[in-house]
Amino acid sequence: GAVVSQHPSWVICKSGTSVKIECRSLDFQATTMFWYRQFPKQSLMLMATSNEGSKATYEQGVEKDKFLINHASLTLSTLTVTSAHPEDSSFYICSAVGSGGNTQYFGPGTRLTVL
Amino acid sequence: QKEVEQNSGPLSVPEGAIASLNCTYSDRGSQSFFWYRQYSGKSPELIMFIYSNGDKEDGRFTAQLNKASQYVSLLIRDSQPSDSATYLCAVNRANAGKSTFGDGTTLTVKP
Repeated sequence: GAVVSQHPSWVICKSGTSVKIECRSLDFQATTMFWYRQFPKQSLMLMATSNEGSKATYEQGVEKDKFLINHASLTLSTLTVTSAHPEDSSFYICSAVGSGGNTQYFGPGTRLTVL
Repeated sequence: QKEVEQNSGPLSVPEGAIASLNCTYSDRGSQSFFWYRQYSGKSPELIMFIYSNGDKEDGRFTAQLNKASQYVSLLIRDSQPSDSATYLCAVNRANAGKSTFGDGTTLTVKP
């Protein structure tokens, strides 16, 4: 149980294009999902907290207009990196918390490379 | 002072030994404590959680919590090379889904 998937697992795009990453909870309903970014050999960095049906809460320093988050259902949240640039190249990881719970279950991550 | 502190390591132990990973936290309102394992290039995976003072065992893993000392640890018995990874400590306040993560301790188990 408590499986979270992400799609795609990796993506390569040209600078200036937008990329959408999906995060799905497969066997539970996720009232809250989190989006993280991790650069090589660095710590997890929380980008935003997403609650179903409401606007995401972004961490300080994260541009909400650049990283668009939508949590339209209890099993799906999406992160869109708009006008991506090479410095946005990173490992993006989502996690999900079930209703009434507080344990985060992580997706496998999406590796984004912007050329 | 960071909210959740871990020794970055690397911690190196021989195969078959006990690996001891430590974590301290600053928020006395913390109620839930988690250990995650992250292999290089992969996302974190949950090893175990603990809510009450004392020990909690799951296979070769034992989590220990001491709220008075604001300290949580993870013991790995009979360490295997496959245990080589970064171990993340995470802490939640009561009824909060958002966790505060430590920076992780890198463990290397040498054959």
